[in-house]
Amino acid sequence: EVQLLESGGGLVQPGGSLRLSCAASGFTFSSYAMSWVRQAPGKGLEWVSAISGSGGSAYYADSVKGRFTISRDNSKNTVYLQMNSLGAEDTAVYYCADYSSSTGFAFDIWGQGTMVTASS
Amino acid sequence: DIQMTQSPSSVSASVGDRVTITCRASQGISSWLAWYQQKPGKAPKLLIYAASSLQSGVPSRFSGNGSGTDFTLTISSLQPEDFATYYCQQAHSFPYTFGQGTKVEIK
Repeated sequence: EVQLLESGGGLVQPGGSLRLSCAASGFTFSSYAMSWVRQAPGKGLEWVSAISGSGGSAYYADSVKGRFTISRDNSKNTVYLQMNSLGAEDTAVYYCADYSSSTGFAFDIWGQGTMVTASS
Repeated sequence: DIQMTQSPSSVSASVGDRVTITCRASQGISSWLAWYQQKPGKAPKLLIYAASSLQSGVPSRFSGNGSGTDFTLTISSLQPEDFATYYCQQAHSFPYTFGQGTKVEIK
């Protein structure tokens, strides 16, 4: 079964850091680019970051550039999101998702999400 | 950045109704457009990719159309399980962007 499972969310003080993980199973992980998408409580979807299958290319939303870093370990079938200098505006459910040319670069498989709360 | 504007923001409809949601891109994105369905507390689900391609396992009552800047998602005969929020998303260029969502509610 194709599956993505996020972990690492939680409560963090403003200015703090957190690292999210997304473990993949059921498909050839290195063949797929991966992305993080977030959703603030009661709000819409916001794309955060993406990384190519090899890990050689990474992309970020302006709202997180310089604070967040995406990476992947293809030997562990896992993608990460290192989040630094967190603020209240980063409070959201964070989803990982895969995408490829076979689905027009749309986000095909999604994880269940992990909640990040930046609050004192 | 490419802005995606959906309309309406919400629609009330009855089971069996035909529902159409519109998405407009601030610049041409060819057919690099996807539609998602999201139910409360759940992850989004891909319905349509490349503007009009139905994702595997998605009922045929869902269809997508358009290219360039104007796109539509149509549900031909609304079913009880279709009451949800729908989002469009451009996959033309980074940063990828989503529409603000359209909530389909029961009349």
